[in-house]
Amino acid sequence: EADIYQTPRYLVIGTGKKITLECSQTMGHDKMYWYQQDPGMELHLIHYSYGVNSTEKGDLSSESTVSRIRTEHFPLTLESARPSHTSQYLCASSEYKGTALSNNEQFFGPGTRLTVL
Amino acid sequence: AQTVTQSQPEMSVQEAETVTLSCTYDTSESDYYLFWYKQPPSRQMILVIRQEAYKQQNATENRFSVNFQKAAKSFSLKISDSQLGDAAMYFCAYQQGAQKLVFGQGTRLTINP
Repeated sequence: EADIYQTPRYLVIGTGKKITLECSQTMGHDKMYWYQQDPGMELHLIHYSYGVNSTEKGDLSSESTVSRIRTEHFPLTLESARPSHTSQYLCASSEYKGTALSNNEQFFGPGTRLTVL
Repeated sequence: AQTVTQSQPEMSVQEAETVTLSCTYDTSESDYYLFWYKQPPSRQMILVIRQEAYKQQNATENRFSVNFQKAAKSFSLKISDSQLGDAAMYFCAYQQGAQKLVFGQGTRLTINP
């Protein structure tokens, strides 16, 4: 079944650790996104990608980095986690149909809730 | 830059009643998409309904419908016959062309049994 997956779902880690949040989708979508969301609050786009080897920074500045080596995989890495990184991270994907107006519905993963102590 | 505003941080409704969630947006474009997304507690965000700006007819999906007022840049969501499973955060979102989605601040909807 086509879907979008995120692992881990929950992560509690100490300050200074390097972490990678995984995101994979089996829908063949070219475009992928990472959002940061504090509980009950709005979503902030932190990274997105149009396809393999394409990564762009989003609207909210983030110390995280992303890579897109394979179409289906879009991991997010924090080299040195800090308590200020505590948040929920949502991954999403959509079809990319160029610049034409099109229905680019985004499909969301279940999220990773990160706590940095 | 486009902005999306949801002026109701929280709403509540009695089960089986109707509730309307408000959303306004700012854009100078004429062609775009508008979306309502639902985020249940601890569950995945899902699309509830979408509206194409060039279509005058309001979109409807079962108990969910929108009131799209293009000139007023308003896009409200009406939920009829509210059910306990409708309890969630609801986000209004705007998209123009292949640009990123712009989300509103969200409205937390509580259903009272």
